[in-house]
Amino acid sequence: AQSVTQLGSHVSVSEGALVLLRCNYSSSVPPYLFWYVQYPNQGLQLLLKYTSAATLVKGINGFEAEFKKSETSFHLTKPSAHMSDAAEYFCAVSGGGGFKTIFGAGTRLFVKA
Amino acid sequence: GAGVSQTPSNKVTEKGKYVELRCDPISGHTALYWYRQSLGQGPEFLIYFQGTGAADDSGLPNDRFFAVRPEGSVSTLKIQRTERGDSAVYLCASSPNSGGEGETQYFGPGTRLLVL
Repeated sequence: AQSVTQLGSHVSVSEGALVLLRCNYSSSVPPYLFWYVQYPNQGLQLLLKYTSAATLVKGINGFEAEFKKSETSFHLTKPSAHMSDAAEYFCAVSGGGGFKTIFGAGTRLFVKA
Repeated sequence: GAGVSQTPSNKVTEKGKYVELRCDPISGHTALYWYRQSLGQGPEFLIYFQGTGAADDSGLPNDRFFAVRPEGSVSTLKIQRTERGDSAVYLCASSPNSGGEGETQYFGPGTRLLVL
């Protein structure tokens, strides 16, 4: 079975500060890992994904994430937050020959001026 | 091009009624997924279609829920004898190829279902 834990349901940062959203996963098989963003009244949009190539993955809007197998983590970072980054972020895992994607509960990012 | 669309955007119904939720995937996408997102939670997998067939329906919570995709494009999620606990946002996603591991899913805006 696979699972995802996102640490912190709410994260608040100041504009220009580092963004760090934490994600830990559990998987008995090599995982595929994703970060999706959901803006108000919009569908989920893929930010980036790990598919067993480079462990440091770069995504859209300046976000990146690093796959750390030893820590079973896939934390999302951005060096400098922008007001437009305020949204809900979901970490997700799939793999093992199935078609299910398992999502975390989400982290809402607030950006203060 | 057009993204995934879902209709209606909002649906209010009474307990015990039947509802149908529609999903129009991106043209040419063979894989289609349904998820349910309750307040404060992440999307919960319900069912996956590869073409016309349901390849994995293990996420459907009970036999009141059923989904079809008769021509391999549009899909309908059907809920019988709705209960207040069915209130949630129902999300649809599609992907272009086999829908296998690691493939990006493209999400629609969702249908917000409220059962009174």
